[in-house]
Amino acid sequence: DAGVTQSPTHLIKTRGQHVTLRCSPISGHKSVSWYQQVLGQGPQFIFQYYEKEERGRGNFPDRFSARQFPNYSSELNVNALLLGDSALYLCASTGVVNEQYFGPGTRLTVT
Amino acid sequence: GQNIDQPTEMTATEGAIVQINCTYQTSGFNGLFWYQQHAGEAPTFLSYNVLDGLEEKGRFSSFLSRSKGYSYLLLKELQMKDSASYLCAPKSGYSTLTFGKGTMLLVSP
Repeated sequence: DAGVTQSPTHLIKTRGQHVTLRCSPISGHKSVSWYQQVLGQGPQFIFQYYEKEERGRGNFPDRFSARQFPNYSSELNVNALLLGDSALYLCASTGVVNEQYFGPGTRLTVT
Repeated sequence: GQNIDQPTEMTATEGAIVQINCTYQTSGFNGLFWYQQHAGEAPTFLSYNVLDGLEEKGRFSSFLSRSKGYSYLLLKELQMKDSASYLCAPKSGYSTLTFGKGTMLLVSP
């Protein structure tokens, strides 16, 4: 079985631009969460979706948005990119005991 | 609010035992996870504690005391490949995890 997949792997954007990151959860998992991880820190929770509904939202500005599709895949959108948005963006799907299984991440660099 | 405290770095020798401690203050606490993260890779799930006590899984064990807001991860028979960052993550609500900054473990020969 395929694990969590994310695309793209790496991305370079300019300040002020917009970015869309994509994620497909493990087959059979209905919940997807997004995290941001900067160097030297643990992942920071951004959003959680379950059955296409937002279940939780972390302390991130409105420039960050997400959605989940009928096939449970998800997109994370970030508008008006700032230098500080440079990070590893992780998607995770939720298992039986609510453990998070992470994808390989998308490395976003904002210049 | 959330407050998680772990040591920043630890060193140990191959074959030894190491204990990584985590203290937390989490509203709506609903369990605690430990994750391992190698440099440049995504975190991988190690263990989950929801009740007080010790959970053993091979060379790794995890302990939880909810009344003390305390957990530890115990790694036995250390191997070089265990060099990684270890993240403590208490859960609140349905499945919202809050991660600590992680403990960088360096295993030397």
